[in-house]
Amino acid sequence: DTGVSQDPRHKITKRGQNVTFRCDPISEHNRLYWYRQTLGQGPEFLTYFQNEAQLEKSRLLSDRFSAERPKGSFSTLEIQRTEQGDSAMYLCASSPGTDNQPQHFGDGTRLSIL
Amino acid sequence: AQSVAQPEDQVNVAEGNPLTVKCTYSVSGNPYLFWYVQYPNRGLQFLLKYITGDNLVKGSYGFEAEFNKSQTSFHLKKPSALVSDSALYFCAVSAFMDTGRRALTFGSGTRLQVQP
Repeated sequence: DTGVSQDPRHKITKRGQNVTFRCDPISEHNRLYWYRQTLGQGPEFLTYFQNEAQLEKSRLLSDRFSAERPKGSFSTLEIQRTEQGDSAMYLCASSPGTDNQPQHFGDGTRLSIL
Repeated sequence: AQSVAQPEDQVNVAEGNPLTVKCTYSVSGNPYLFWYVQYPNRGLQFLLKYITGDNLVKGSYGFEAEFNKSQTSFHLKKPSALVSDSALYFCAVSAFMDTGRRALTFGSGTRLQVQP
């Protein structure tokens, strides 16, 4: 169990630029989740995948956000035309394919929009 | 819609004393409940969960939590606090959404400060 890995750990970009984050889940986990966490708040659910299928998307996920998990292994989260309000920590988590199992989190990607 | 409330932004306790971090929830149906801990600039680490069965669940690092269905609470406890327990604690509930799938909703977190 090598844990959930996220890259990069920090990203600073100018408003209007596109950014992409990567998440590598625990290898035997077939569920993968993305969350956004702002300062002083708990993580907010964005989307989740079961293998390569994106099964759920939050209303928080505007059309500027897109997530993929093409081969059911790693996932990418892309934000197009970034805005100041996108500044946050983006967390990825993975779990086995049952609801009663805990999610295992990576250390996140901190996005700062200048 | 499901929700989680952590009424205390911060809890202060002396090392060696018992600690309690409070959590209440609102869901329809049977909830799955979780506690996570977060250290600075790190992701969340799982502490314990309640799915079904015994209302008192034990988890990592000596933590335990009691599920109280009538009070819709799931308070986190530890008999003797350590300075190293100082961190941010999140309660989370997994419940069915309109889509028929479960999603995890987190509380806003409680910062635990354990003084030496």
